[in-house]
Amino acid sequence: DAKTTQPTSMDCAEGRAANLPCNHSTISGNEYVYWYRQIHSQGPQYIIHGLKNNETNEMASLIITEDRKSSTLILPHATLRDTAVYYCIVRVQGAQKLVFGQGTRLTINP
Amino acid sequence: DAMVIQNPRYQVTQFGKPVTLSCSQTLNHNVMYWYQQKSSQAPKLLFHYYDKDFNNEADTPDNFQSRRPNTSFCFLDIRSPGLGDAAMYLCATSRLGLAGPSSYNEQFFGPGTRLTVL
Repeated sequence: DAKTTQPTSMDCAEGRAANLPCNHSTISGNEYVYWYRQIHSQGPQYIIHGLKNNETNEMASLIITEDRKSSTLILPHATLRDTAVYYCIVRVQGAQKLVFGQGTRLTINP
Repeated sequence: DAMVIQNPRYQVTQFGKPVTLSCSQTLNHNVMYWYQQKSSQAPKLLFHYYDKDFNNEADTPDNFQSRRPNTSFCFLDIRSPGLGDAAMYLCATSRLGLAGPSSYNEQFFGPGTRLTVL
């Protein structure tokens, strides 16, 4: 699986959009970008994934650059409950394993 | 609600005393995973079962074993816990190799069992 690079930490004001970047410059053509998050003392939670088109669901939006070397997870109206570690993972769809990097610790401030 | 259940949430054991952590799922997923997560670190995969096939990670110590008696249950056995094995242990499931929407490849995690070794 391709490696990813994320900022160690980020802050965002409550009610604002949180934009979390991820670099995956060595991504292969058949690899998807997955995002998970882990709220303190809980198991990780799937957020969204995509291949090359932008994706949106009830939790977030995923913007993938045209060359697929980077992506941005957008939480449109961040709340205090969005404070968590966010993991960007690149993997082949259907692969059995997830390999977690260090992730971004996002803090939403009142 | 369908879910991944881990018991107990907190487990205390003594150095060298065998301990078993349990995981059950009501999702009827064919793959079950065990991860170890130490403080301030990312989850690290120990092993997983794809149906009945056991897949061990190359760097998982022999001290860690697993059993999956049926689709719903999976156990993590630590034969002789050391102080370095104190961690959160996460169980996850996924549905692979079956027809359906791509989102079925996501992994569903339980709340974890926090293991303390005295």
